[in-house]
Amino acid sequence: DQQVKQNSPSLSVQEGRISILNCDYTNSMFDYFLWYKKYPAEGPTFLISISSIKDKNEDGRFTVFLNKSAKHLSLHIVPSQPGDSAVYFCAASRGSGSARQLTFGSGTQLTVLP
Amino acid sequence: DVKVTQSSRYLVKRTGEKVFLECVQDMDHENMFWYRQDPGLGLRLIYFSYDVKMKEKGDIPEGYSVSREKKERFSLILESASTNQTSMYLCASSEVWASGGAPGGETQYFGPGTRLLVL
Repeated sequence: DQQVKQNSPSLSVQEGRISILNCDYTNSMFDYFLWYKKYPAEGPTFLISISSIKDKNEDGRFTVFLNKSAKHLSLHIVPSQPGDSAVYFCAASRGSGSARQLTFGSGTQLTVLP
Repeated sequence: DVKVTQSSRYLVKRTGEKVFLECVQDMDHENMFWYRQDPGLGLRLIYFSYDVKMKEKGDIPEGYSVSREKKERFSLILESASTNQTSMYLCASSEVWASGGAPGGETQYFGPGTRLLVL
């Protein structure tokens, strides 16, 4: 049972336009959400996060929105650049046991076309 | 800058072999994690460790074991490799999280990954 879902395996966007990547979750115990970016042959790198007490967090071209009632979050990239082409993973965290664990979605391959 | 290194970028092993994947982090993080990444499945947690000699099972521990003898080093062991363990293996580390504490310190930092092929 996937608790974190990214239903779009791929997304193509023109350079300069907005990219919107979506993520849904089912476990209401999640209280912190993160986005990671992964290039081929590299490990994922942390991009941006949001606590469940907020509905928006912005960092430069990247903004994450959280809709708790819908159990939905999205990552907006404006403007999109070719260097943004990568796989984006959504992750959710909850406190349990001895360490907070992350549950990842299956990823969305973003391609930004020049 | 956090640095997480993994001993090999690519490995080819035979079915039944014992395989060791090593991970080292240089940020004095308490927590270390092993994931595997497969197409369409994202990252799945195999094992994690919150302290030296401590370990906990993740979502898919079957066929794997781990060892953490030193704080900076976390090893993943495939006792008898099988073809269904062909995958990308990723190690990560994060700061300690005090139970009941506010979230935010659990950002995990990943190594470059080891692509394992079991024939």
